Amino acid sequence: DAGVTQSPTHLIKTRGQQVTLRCSPKSGHDTVSWYQQALGQGPQFIFQYYEEEERQRGNFPDRFSGHQFPNYSSELNVNALLLGDSALYLCASSLGTSAHNEQFFGPGTRLTVL
Amino acid sequence: GQNIDQPTEMTATEGAIVQINCTYQTSGFNGLFWYQQHAGEAPTFLSYNVLDGLEEKGRFSSFLSRSKGYSYLLLKELQMKDSASYLCAAGSIYYGNNRLAFGKGNQVVVIP
Repeated sequence: DAGVTQSPTHLIKTRGQQVTLRCSPKSGHDTVSWYQQALGQGPQFIFQYYEEEERQRGNFPDRFSGHQFPNYSSELNVNALLLGDSALYLCASSLGTSAHNEQFFGPGTRLTVL
Repeated sequence: GQNIDQPTEMTATEGAIVQINCTYQTSGFNGLFWYQQHAGEAPTFLSYNVLDGLEEKGRFSSFLSRSKGYSYLLLKELQMKDSASYLCAAGSIYYGNNRLAFGKGNQVVVIP
């Protein structure tokens, strides 16, 4: 049973560029949430996708956008990259959107913006 | 709003017991999660408390007091592999289901 997978594992970009990160949820899961984790900090909620729609959004600018595909996989897009966007980007999947459902995290994508 | 507070770091000896505290101020609070995160890896689920009291799972136990906005994670019989960051996260009905607010994490270092 494959867990949550993310690609790429590491990425280096320069300021102003755009990036796309990918996530495949755990088998059987239909909900994907994205988190940003800066060094030494806890994960911060970016947004959540369910039934191919953005259902919840955290305090992140419109430069952060996403998509969910019919197979439940998801993408996170960040435009006009800033140095402060350097972080570990985590994808978490669950079955449904209930708060009582455990979220399983992927290994993350380490984004470095130079 | 949501505010999650945890101490930043603690060191303990192999075989000892450590208690990691977490205080929260969360409107519409509906549950407290604990995750373990080894350096460079994904967080992994440890426990979930929604009602007051103690939940025990092997060497790990988690306690919740909703009236005090307080939780702790108890790690018994510490092993070297327990060296990790321990994150508490609160859920809220006002911020939508399954959207977690994490604390900064508490780094536990286990020494021989």
